[in-house]
Amino acid sequence: SQKIEQNSEALNIQEGKTATLTCNYTNYSPAYLQWYRQDPGRGPVFLLLIRENEKEKRKERLKVTFDTTLKQSLFHITASQPADSATYLCALVRSNDYKLSFGAGTTVTVRA
Amino acid sequence: EAQVTQNPRYLITVTGKKLTVTCSQNMNHEYMSWYRQDPGLGLRQIYYSMNVEVTDKGDVPEGYKVSRKEKRNFPLILESPSPNQTSLYFCASSQPGLARHEQYFGPGTRLTVT
Repeated sequence: SQKIEQNSEALNIQEGKTATLTCNYTNYSPAYLQWYRQDPGRGPVFLLLIRENEKEKRKERLKVTFDTTLKQSLFHITASQPADSATYLCALVRSNDYKLSFGAGTTVTVRA
Repeated sequence: EAQVTQNPRYLITVTGKKLTVTCSQNMNHEYMSWYRQDPGLGLRQIYYSMNVEVTDKGDVPEGYKVSRKEKRNFPLILESPSPNQTSLYFCASSQPGLARHEQYFGPGTRLTVT
C-alpha cells in the first residue's frame, strides 16, 4: 500500500542553524511533491512545490530536494528563526487525478 | 480576499444526529476536498471533487457524504455521526490546471461527537 513517512521525531534546533526534514514514500509515483506549514489550530499553508523531473527548488531560506530514485524529499530551513517553529507537512500529488496524500508532519521548534 | 470559509468552526453534537459542515471558496477553483486531521495520523483525505457533480472517495470516506452542486460550495454531511468522527476537519480548494495545484485550506472545524 502507499505510504508517506516524515521524521517521526520532533525537531528542536538552535536559532541560526539549519533544520532538515525528510519525507519518504513507497508504492507511489507522484507527479510532484508539495510542502506546507501548519501552525497550531490553523489550516496548512502552501510553501513550495517540486516536480518529479526537478532536483532542487529554493525560496528565500527554504530549499527542497527530490530524489525519485530514493523516493525521498528533503526540506531545509536555513538560518532558522523562532518564527519558523511550526509543523511541516509533505504532500504527494498523483498525476492522473491530482489526488493529494499527506505525511503526518514534523514539528520544528527553534530555540532563541 | 481569496479565501476558503467553513462553518461552523466548532461543533459539539451527539451520536446519530445528522450534521452538515459547509465549505465555500471564492477563487473559482475546480478542485475541492475534505480532510480530517487526528494526532499522529496527519491529514487524511475524506472526499474530493474535480468539478461540479464530480466527486470521488479519498482515503477515509466511510460515514461521510459530500455533494458538489455549485462550483464554490462543497458541504460535508455526516448522516449519523459517531464518536470516532470526533476530529479536526479542513476543507481545501485548488486549481489543478495551474502549475502548482497548491491547496488553499479553510480555518478548520473542530467536531466533537459524544
